[in-house]
Amino acid sequence: QVQLQESGPGLVKPSESLSLTCNVSGGSISRYYWSWIRQPPGKGLEWIGYIYYSGNTNYNPSLGSRATVSLDTSKNQFSLNLKSMTAADTAVYYCVSGSNLYFDLWGQGTLVTVSP
Amino acid sequence: SYVLTQPPSESVAPGQTARIACGGENIGSKSVHWYQQKPGQAPVLVVYDHTERPSGIPERFSGSTSGSNSGNTATLTISRVEAGDEADYYCQVWDSSTDQVVFGGGTKLTVL
Repeated sequence: QVQLQESGPGLVKPSESLSLTCNVSGGSISRYYWSWIRQPPGKGLEWIGYIYYSGNTNYNPSLGSRATVSLDTSKNQFSLNLKSMTAADTAVYYCVSGSNLYFDLWGQGTLVTVSP
Repeated sequence: SYVLTQPPSESVAPGQTARIACGGENIGSKSVHWYQQKPGQAPVLVVYDHTERPSGIPERFSGSTSGSNSGNTATLTISRVEAGDEADYYCQVWDSSTDQVVFGGGTKLTVL
């Protein structure tokens, strides 16, 4: 059974970059869509971006050019880099996957707080 | 950009039927997916492609669309509601015209 597990810092300073990694276990990353979704405390879900196993990417335009999603097939991982963090980026970040841009596989989520 | 609109809250008595709406322009022409999120947990897919249920999701959960032409409202219906169904529910589509994933704002379902 495929499982996803996020890892990364729980605290980031304003203006710094966030780097999160999602480890994929129990299956190959060389298929489907791999995405990041976040949820600010007490608020709804926000899609950040996806990478297809072929390498194609797409991002939520609300983030401008701050987000980058990448794939490391040798490690069976994918990653999120989010630049110029502000307090508004404080959220639980989920790595997720699905075959057709719906998400049937979710990581447990990791809380990232932006604070000096 | 494409917008999905959900009521912030719904309430239902145990054993009754809950209906959670998701509005969007020509939503009937898009594949609509629904997620259930309980407090402190990651969301779980409960309906995909309008009406399909993932393995392990009870038949009490079903999806539909309604409205003129291609339809403007998608609905998640939960039959014979149980206390354990109390959760936040989100609808989601992929907007092919912009290649964007879009979520509704979520509906908090309270079981009275």
